[in-house]
Amino acid sequence: IAGITQAPTSQILAAGRRMTLRCTQDMRHNAMYWYRQDLGLGLRLIHYSNTAGTTGKGEVPDGYSVSRANTDDFPLTLASAVPSQTSVYFCASSDHALGPQHFGDGTRLSIL
Amino acid sequence: GQNIDQPTEMTATEGAIVQINCTYQTSGFNGLFWYQQHAGEAPTFLSYNVLDGLEEKGRFSSFLSRSKGYSYLLLKELQMKDSASYLCAVTDSNYQLIWGAGTKLIIKP
Repeated sequence: IAGITQAPTSQILAAGRRMTLRCTQDMRHNAMYWYRQDLGLGLRLIHYSNTAGTTGKGEVPDGYSVSRANTDDFPLTLASAVPSQTSVYFCASSDHALGPQHFGDGTRLSIL
Repeated sequence: GQNIDQPTEMTATEGAIVQINCTYQTSGFNGLFWYQQHAGEAPTFLSYNVLDGLEEKGRFSSFLSRSKGYSYLLLKELQMKDSASYLCAVTDSNYQLIWGAGTKLIIKP
């Protein structure tokens, strides 16, 4: 079934550790996005990529990095995790920047 | 600054009609989306409005007034499975989605 796959589903991580959240889509969508969702707040954009080889900063990029080596994969890396990065992380993709976004099932990340 | 406002929570009765409002102030406008998100799940796309007026899709309709910075999502013949959060999002001048915090809709039998 076509869609977006995120891994891991959930993770508990010690502060200071490095962590990469994986995201793969098989819809050949050009644009991909990483969001975090915290209770009481809307989805907040961390980083985005409008096409393979390009990336951009969203609303809350500090402490996170991304790469887009090909169309399908868009990993998100936390270089040195801090407790404030405890959140649910969603990866999404869209055919183009103005198209509806399709979401993965999310990664629930707890930083202790 | 950019801002999207929607009620935090609404309650409605099974079989009834409910209207969820969304007001926005953004730098530019390139369309408005509504998404549904069940608890513990990912958001799923419901509707898209870029021109003023009403877009109807089955039991769900979405309305947009660009001059007023206002939209609503209308849900008819409510079913228990419609209990979810409804997220309003606006595409700004940088083609990025700005999201509201969501409206939690509780359906009672």
